[in-house]
Amino acid sequence: GAGVSQSPSNKVTEKGKDVELRCDPISGHTALYWYRQSLGQGLEFLIYFQGNSAPDKSGLPSDRFSAERTGGSVSTLTIQRTQQEDSAVYLCASSLGAEQIGQKFFGPGTRLTVL
Amino acid sequence: DQQVKQNSPSLSVQEGRISILNCDYTNSMFDYFLWYKKYPAEGPTFLISISSIKDKNEDGRFTVFLNKSAKHLSLHIVPSQPGDSAVYFCAASALEGAQKLVFGQGTRLTINP
Repeated sequence: GAGVSQSPSNKVTEKGKDVELRCDPISGHTALYWYRQSLGQGLEFLIYFQGNSAPDKSGLPSDRFSAERTGGSVSTLTIQRTQQEDSAVYLCASSLGAEQIGQKFFGPGTRLTVL
Repeated sequence: DQQVKQNSPSLSVQEGRISILNCDYTNSMFDYFLWYKKYPAEGPTFLISISSIKDKNEDGRFTVFLNKSAKHLSLHIVPSQPGDSAVYFCAASALEGAQKLVFGQGTRLTINP
């Protein structure tokens, strides 16, 4: 498909385990973002990649969270030693360039449940 | 501290009438505002935006109004249609850190036939 895809769509894990969430952005989009939405909250910015520049990690809530983007395309968000408060829907978005503030295309999200 | 607030978690409107969704913000550095629409099991989709140099932007049935002095924006949908039933998020950004959109909690709009 032509949109942003994320996998898995749902992930249930036990507290303390590590998880990896994957995002495939729209082909040709140089900017990639991760957000999360906890229950009853708005979307919370996590991290932003733009081309080959160093990512903006200022939204990552703790050092248990990390993300990488390989080859300027696919991105993986890793959460180590998961905690129950990490339970949320993790959304990935991409845009053609950094200047397109509004034109972010979001994927369907990964619903993470930490037991 | 919630910088962008949507105080109505839900709103129900009759088909054909006007839907008005409200959003308040606290950060005076915000200068660009957006509305996103989200259907279940899908990611949010961009709907309409407004820059702080304007007080109104219109796109078909959707109009966004910005009142900078009140730090308030609203989305008007007229006439409302059943397909408009969704969760609506307002978001804001500042020139510095423009990529970090700050979102409200969302308002679930239901259009009744």
